[in-house]
Amino acid sequence: EDQVTQSPEALRLQEGESSSLNCSYTVSGLRGLFWYRQDPGKGPEFLFTLYSAGEEKEKERLKATLTKKESFLHITAPKPEDSATYLCAVQPYTGANSKLTFGKGITLSVRP
Amino acid sequence: DGGITQSPKYLFRKEGQNVTLSCEQNLNHDAMYWYRQDPGQGLRLIYYSQIVNDFQKGDIAEGYSVSREKKESFPLTVTSAQKNPTAFYLCASSTTGFSGNTIYFGEGSWLTVV
Repeated sequence: EDQVTQSPEALRLQEGESSSLNCSYTVSGLRGLFWYRQDPGKGPEFLFTLYSAGEEKEKERLKATLTKKESFLHITAPKPEDSATYLCAVQPYTGANSKLTFGKGITLSVRP
Repeated sequence: DGGITQSPKYLFRKEGQNVTLSCEQNLNHDAMYWYRQDPGQGLRLIYYSQIVNDFQKGDIAEGYSVSREKKESFPLTVTSAQKNPTAFYLCASSTTGFSGNTIYFGEGSWLTVV
């Protein structure tokens, strides 16, 4: 069974204090690992897809990296507007359109 | 603008009632999904459909029903058999195929039992 564990559950940072969010996974062959941002009361917003170990992707203050067992979302010099819940999900190689398994999310609060 | 539209945003259900949540997409995606989100839990898949007139049960399908009569539409009915329906419901869509298929979400619908 595919599993995704995100840590920590919650993270409070001072504005400008860089940190990383962790997503550990077990999957029967990884097709893709996805990161989403979710604001309170809203649907998740797509951030990144990573396909193979060693891959990195960046967007503004965010950088996502991938190994064979985990993914990190690095936040450099965060701002209060980066406060949100960050979700990680994995998609296995089991058919033409296999289902995503989501972690519980990491709630990030950035204080000014 | 391309996207996924869910309605209503807020819905109240009385005990014993069936309610239907609407989901429409104009992204020309073949696959559509319904997820349920509860506090402190990850998103859980209710139903998904990869093509018109076909759908499959997800991990928590009991007490729910869906239809897929048009490519653009995938309504979800929460039946009276669903014992704990209060939750945030998310509709999503994606392309299909053997590459990684990014799933895009709507804005969600809140369902509360009164």
